[in-house]
Amino acid sequence: EVQLVQSGAEVKKPGESLKISCKASGYIYGTYWIAWVRQMPGKGLEWMGIIYPGDSDTKYSPSFQGQVTISVDKSITTAYLQWSSLKASDTAMYFCVRRRGTLVRGSLSYYFDYWGQGTLVTVSS
Amino acid sequence: DIQLTQSPSFLSASVGDRVTITCRASQGISSYLAWYQQKPGKAPKLLIYAASTLQSGVPSRFSGSGSGTGFALTISSLQPEDFATYYCLQLNSYPLTFGGGTKVEIK
Repeated sequence: EVQLVQSGAEVKKPGESLKISCKASGYIYGTYWIAWVRQMPGKGLEWMGIIYPGDSDTKYSPSFQGQVTISVDKSITTAYLQWSSLKASDTAMYFCVRRRGTLVRGSLSYYFDYWGQGTLVTVSS
Repeated sequence: DIQLTQSPSFLSASVGDRVTITCRASQGISSYLAWYQQKPGKAPKLLIYAASTLQSGVPSRFSGSGSGTGFALTISSLQPEDFATYYCLQLNSYPLTFGGGTKVEIK
């Protein structure tokens, strides 16, 4: 059974650093991209970036480039999202999600299939 | 960047109603669109991918249509468990983008 299990809720102060994790199991880890999605309180979903565990190739949304770092440790099938200096506006739920590709009508179509349970990050002085 | 505009942003409907949510892309994305359902406090759940392919285990009352710039998610007969927020997501090109969401509430 495919599972993405995220680390627990965090309460931090502005300016502090943070690294949250997403541990995958139940599939061949190096063959699926893992993405991070933000959801601010009462708001919609925002794609932050994506990483390929096979070679750590990473792509960021321009909105998050330079604000966060996405990394992976393939040996323990875990992806990470980290901040070097948190702001109050980083308060949100963060989800990791697996990207899958399937051949549909002759074209390779991608979608996010399995999601982590979410990690709530609260930044407050 | 490709913008996805969902409408309506809010929808009030009754059990048994037929409901359609639309998602318009700012440029053509072929059929590289997925639909998700999210309930409060939960992770989103995949309903439809490749614009019209029903994810395994999702009830057949859900269907997706469209290609290019115009897409729709239809629920043929709304059930109590369908009251939730729905999002479209384009995976045609980076940066990937979500629609703003449609909240479906009980009338």
